[in-house]
Amino acid sequence: AQKITQTQPGMFVQEKEAVTLDCTYDTSDPSYGLFWYKQPSSGEMIFLIYQGSYDQQNATEGRYSLNFQKARKSANLVISASQLGDSAMYFCAMREGRTGNQFYFGTGTSLTVIP
Amino acid sequence: DAGITQSPRHKVTETGTPVTLRCHQTENHRYMYWYRQDPGHGLRLIHYSYGVKDTDKGEVSDGYSVSRSKTEDFLLTLESATSSQTSVYFCAISRTGEVEETQYFGPGTRLLVL
Repeated sequence: AQKITQTQPGMFVQEKEAVTLDCTYDTSDPSYGLFWYKQPSSGEMIFLIYQGSYDQQNATEGRYSLNFQKARKSANLVISASQLGDSAMYFCAMREGRTGNQFYFGTGTSLTVIP
Repeated sequence: DAGITQSPRHKVTETGTPVTLRCHQTENHRYMYWYRQDPGHGLRLIHYSYGVKDTDKGEVSDGYSVSRSKTEDFLLTLESATSSQTSVYFCAISRTGEVEETQYFGPGTRLLVL
């Protein structure tokens, strides 16, 4: 079974609108971390936001927030007030407490912001 | 900027030749990782290191070996490159192995095996 599933290969959003990128995960480990990365066309991987399995509140970092629904095993990324520079690939990743060093990545979602 | 460099940044080689990719970090982090990125697969872990001369296999380790003789350098070797190893290779680092710590990535190396 896939550890991380991103079901949206491509998404479009109008500039200044909000967009949600979906991510579901699969683990039996009670301790885990969820991460989102951005990969622009230049190729680098940029860390955006982190959510811990024991965190009671959803993580936020500027225009990024993580909609964490533990019972549904989902960790959706919400980008508010989209900007043209948000056009990129977005990857969801998970790290399990038990294995520690194995990061599992989803296949990514390509986001295009339309002016 | 996590102080990670990768070399070379681009390489074209022929099937059957050995290839070594280098990852260099300047911040003395204990953990270093090698990933490959392929369309439709996201990033997959090849090998990682948790200290000098301490390495372990990841999800897609067949055909790859690694070495870490110094804290700052982590080498990935393709003993005999195959076309299926054409990919973008990323090095990553983290300070500890704790679950809440993110990994920071180098700029990547594009490898084409003809």
